[in-house]
Amino acid sequence: SQQGEEDPQALSIQEGENATMNCSYKTSINNLQWYRQNSGRGLVHLILIRSNEREKHSGRLRVTLDTSKKSSSLLITASRAADTASYFCATALRGGSNYKLTFGKGTLLTVNP
Amino acid sequence: DTEVTQTPKHLVMGMTNKKSLKCEQHMGHRAMYWYKQKAKKPPELMFVYSYEKLSINESVPSRFSPECPNSSLLNLHLHALQPEDSALYLCASSPLVQGLTEAFFGQGTRLTVV
Repeated sequence: SQQGEEDPQALSIQEGENATMNCSYKTSINNLQWYRQNSGRGLVHLILIRSNEREKHSGRLRVTLDTSKKSSSLLITASRAADTASYFCATALRGGSNYKLTFGKGTLLTVNP
Repeated sequence: DTEVTQTPKHLVMGMTNKKSLKCEQHMGHRAMYWYKQKAKKPPELMFVYSYEKLSINESVPSRFSPECPNSSLLNLHLHALQPEDSALYLCASSPLVQGLTEAFFGQGTRLTVV
C-alpha cells in the first residue's frame, strides 16, 4: 500500500525557477526521504529528514517536515534542465523487527531550458 | 565502492521459462531489498533481507523466489511468470541500523514476460 501522496503529480517550469513538491503520509514515521529517478533508471537518494527535525538543507535542496500535518515538502532552487526527473518521497516504517521504505506516487518534474 | 550492480539489464522470458535476476553490493550493507516498478508508478516493496535472512515478504506470489546466498549477493528467481509481471525490478541495499538510513539502488532489470 502507498504511504506517501505527492503533489503535484507533474510540474513543468523554466530553468532558473524554483520547484516545490509536497508529500503527505498517513502513519507515524521514523524518517522521511526524498529520491530522484531519471527515466527508467535506478533511484538516487537526495536527502533524509528525521521525525524530530523540521527543516534540512543540502545544496539547492530544502526539505521541511511537519509531523503534526504528516506532510513534507521538497524545494529545488534555481532549477536546471538536468533536474528533469521523477521525485519520490519515501517513508521509513517499521515492519516487524525491521524497517521498510515505502514510496509515494511521485512528481514528474520537467525543467525547460 | 557505493554501487549496487544488477544483472541482466534487460530480460525477455516466456511464461514457462525459469530465470534469475542478480544483485551485488560491496558496501557491507546487511539489509537488501527487491522492489517492483511498473511504468509511471512508484517502486513497490517485494522482499527485505536482513543479515541474509528473509525478514519481510509483502505477500508476493510464489512464482517470485528470493535468495540471499551471502551478505553481498541477492537473487530473485522467476518461474511461470505472467505478462503482468513485466516491470522494472530494482534491488537496493542499506546499512542495517535502527530507523533505516539511505538506501542505495541498482539501475534495475527491465523484465518483459511474453
